[in-house]
Amino acid sequence: AQSVTQLGSHVSVSEGALVLLRCNYSSSVPPYLFWYVQYPNQGLQLLLKYTTGATLVKGINGFEAEFKKSETSFHLTKPSAHMSDAAEYFCAVRATGANSKLTFGKGITLSVRP
Amino acid sequence: DAGVIQSPRHEVTEMGQEVTLRCKPISGHNSLFWYRQTMMRGLELLIYFNNNVPIDDSGMPEDRFSAKMPNASFSTLKIQPSEPRDSAVYFCAILRGALYNEQFFGPGTRLTVL
Repeated sequence: AQSVTQLGSHVSVSEGALVLLRCNYSSSVPPYLFWYVQYPNQGLQLLLKYTTGATLVKGINGFEAEFKKSETSFHLTKPSAHMSDAAEYFCAVRATGANSKLTFGKGITLSVRP
Repeated sequence: DAGVIQSPRHEVTEMGQEVTLRCKPISGHNSLFWYRQTMMRGLELLIYFNNNVPIDDSGMPEDRFSAKMPNASFSTLKIQPSEPRDSAVYFCAILRGALYNEQFFGPGTRLTVL
């Protein structure tokens, strides 16, 4: 079984500041890890994913995340926040193998102050 | 293009009425997921299909909910009778990517039950 923990429900940063959204997972088998973003009144859009290989993965809009097996973490970062980054962000885990469903975290809302 | 069309985009109905939500992957996909999103519960997986067969329906709230996938290009989620607590945004998602390990979400249907 898999689970995802996203601590806190809201993060606020100033424009230009570092964005750090935390995600810790639990999985009994090697996981696939994902970050999704949801803008208001829209569906979820994939930001980036880790499956195998390089543990630092880069996604769209300047975001990146690092898979740290020893810490069971997959934190999302962006060096410089932009106003357009304001959205809700979901971390998700899926076991490798066919027919494996995604388990989502509760999501975290990112606000960006001018 | 592995897009997903959901219809209707918005639905307002009265308690007790039957509601049918539709999902149409633009190119046929054998794996399809239905999610529900509310403020209180976040994102919940209701059911998912593989090869048009329901694999896991443990997230379906109760017998009032039913889902079908008659072919790789179409799925429905039906609520009968609907209740105000069913008000939510319902998303359909498909698998895509080189290893089919990425879920791609449709825009969602916002359901309001009065």
